[in-house]
Amino acid sequence: EAGVTQFPSHSVIEKGQTVTLRCDPISGHDNLYWYRRVMGKEIKFLLHFVKESKQDESGMPNNRFLAERTGGTYSTLKVQPAELEDSGVYFCASSPRAFGELFFGEGSRLTVL
Amino acid sequence: QKEVEQDPGPLSVPEGAIVSLNCTYSNSAFQYFMWYRQYSRKGPELLMYTYSSGNKEDGRFTAQVDKSSKYISLFIRDSQPSDSATYLCAMRGDNFNKFYFGSGTKLNVKP
Repeated sequence: EAGVTQFPSHSVIEKGQTVTLRCDPISGHDNLYWYRRVMGKEIKFLLHFVKESKQDESGMPNNRFLAERTGGTYSTLKVQPAELEDSGVYFCASSPRAFGELFFGEGSRLTVL
Repeated sequence: QKEVEQDPGPLSVPEGAIVSLNCTYSNSAFQYFMWYRQYSRKGPELLMYTYSSGNKEDGRFTAQVDKSSKYISLFIRDSQPSDSATYLCAMRGDNFNKFYFGSGTKLNVKP
């Protein structure tokens, strides 16, 4: 069974540009999460989808970040416009049930110059 | 104050040593406690999952939770070079689904 896959693995963009990160959860997992780790800090929660609905987006830092999960399958996280402080590793995780174990992807590393 | 505190290390031990990794936390609502292992450039993978207080053992790994002290530990017995990784503690409460992570402790087990 395929795990959580994320694309791209690494993205380097200029400040002010737009980047879209994609996450494909494990098949059948209704719960999808985005977390991120900025340099030297702990992994922090961004948001949680149940199917296509946003269950909790309290961790989204500001309105430059937009997450979608059309059709309840894969999810995208768009950063527009990107700022220097957005650099970090963005992790996607999925779970078959609410309050269940999280299965993480390998992360998408974002570098904003 | 951070929700979860974890010594970043690095922690370097000889092969075969017993390793003790620890986290402290401030939120008394946390009930689920997890330990993740993360190899370089990989995603975190779940090692141990404990609910409330007590001990849980799985092979060479033992997780302990002391809710009265808000302190959790992961012990690794007979450590191996393949255990070299960053170990992250994570926790959440009963009524909220977001996990709070420690910053991770980097472990190096020398052959």
